[in-house]
Amino acid sequence: GAGVSQSPSNKVTEKGKDVELRCDPISGHTALYWYRQSLGQGLEFLIYFQGNSAPDKSGLPSDRFSAERTGGSVSTLTIQRTQQEDSAVYLCASSLMAGGLSEQFFGPGTRLTVL
Amino acid sequence: QKEVEQNSGPLSVPEGAIASLNCTYSDRGSQSFFWYRQYSGKSPELIMFIYSNGDKEDGRFTAQLNKASQYVSLLIRDSQPSDSATYLCAANTGGFKTIFGAGTRLFVKA
Repeated sequence: GAGVSQSPSNKVTEKGKDVELRCDPISGHTALYWYRQSLGQGLEFLIYFQGNSAPDKSGLPSDRFSAERTGGSVSTLTIQRTQQEDSAVYLCASSLMAGGLSEQFFGPGTRLTVL
Repeated sequence: QKEVEQNSGPLSVPEGAIASLNCTYSDRGSQSFFWYRQYSGKSPELIMFIYSNGDKEDGRFTAQLNKASQYVSLLIRDSQPSDSATYLCAANTGGFKTIFGAGTRLFVKA
């Protein structure tokens, strides 16, 4: 497909376990974003990648969260020692370039439930 | 203080009416603004963006920007039940980071 894809679509885990969420951006898009959306809430910015530059991690809520982007394409968001408050939909978006007037295209999200 | 504020709603309008969605932002350096539509259980999708003061029209949608008042709005003319969704306002300060509001839920009654 031509859109942003994310996997898994749903993830149920036990408190304390680690999880990995994957995002495949649109081919050729240099910018990639991770957001978190809790029930009935807006999008909370987590982290941003632009090309091969160092990512801006200022939105990550704690040091249990980390993300990487390999080869300027696929990205993985890792949450270590998950807590119940980590339960949310994690959305990935990509854009042709960073910021400004560049539209962000969103993936379908990963719904994470921490029991 | 939230950087992008929206009334959570729900805003309920009858079919065929004009729906008016409002948004304010706190960062005067914000340069471009976006309206995304999000259907329940789905991902946001871009409706419009605007960066100049005034109105921008696209079909049934009109975005309005007033930088002096730090105010952005989205008007939906001839509202349809299929317009029922949450509308997210977002602001970009010229860098990479786009700040989203919490969204306004719109219901269009048939």
